[in-house]
Amino acid sequence: AQKVTQAQTEISVVEKEDVTLDCVYETRDTTYYLFWYKQPPSGELVFLIRRNSFDEQNEISGRYSWNFQKSTSSFNFTITASQVVDSAVYFCALKTNAGKSTFGDGTTLTVKP
Amino acid sequence: NAGVTQTPKFQVLKTGQSMTLQCAQDMNHNSMYWYRQDPGMGLRLIYYSASEGTTDKGEVPNGYNVSRLNKREFSLRLESAAPSQTSVYFCAGTVNSNQPQHFGDGTRLSIL
Repeated sequence: AQKVTQAQTEISVVEKEDVTLDCVYETRDTTYYLFWYKQPPSGELVFLIRRNSFDEQNEISGRYSWNFQKSTSSFNFTITASQVVDSAVYFCALKTNAGKSTFGDGTTLTVKP
Repeated sequence: NAGVTQTPKFQVLKTGQSMTLQCAQDMNHNSMYWYRQDPGMGLRLIYYSASEGTTDKGEVPNGYNVSRLNKREFSLRLESAAPSQTSVYFCAGTVNSNQPQHFGDGTRLSIL
């Protein structure tokens, strides 16, 4: 069985604050893939980043950064200098080599001006 | 490119009615998925098709059936709709397991 836990249900910050969204996963597979998606109020799901289980290199893309730690089964997402447009629901997801996909329950981020 | 197209976008059914949700993609996806999204519950996998000709149960398959008609199309059928199946349904596809999923715009289904 596989599981993705996003313990933070809702987070509220003021614009320009940094915010980290936590993701912890469980799987028995040795090869797996981790993803972050964004769902703005309009409802569509937008892919943000992917990580393979054998690639622990962290990544920065503009104001976004990701910290993958296999030892703690965590794949956390940080937004630096948050903006109102970052307000959305963010989902962490795990996919196995066989293709089965599991999403966390999501973290609702509200960025206030 | 159309991407992943779901039809219909909205539907209201009465308890006991049947319905098929359609999903088609033109992105050469090998794998296709059906999810439901309930408020505060995230996306839960109903069924998926890892490749043409195969289908597998996900986390919440009860009350649903699927058909991978060909590589492009993956339909979801509710044989006897129940109010508990009121949800937003998303179809998604991906080329390979290590690639992200591309999602349709969703079908908002209400069952009275």
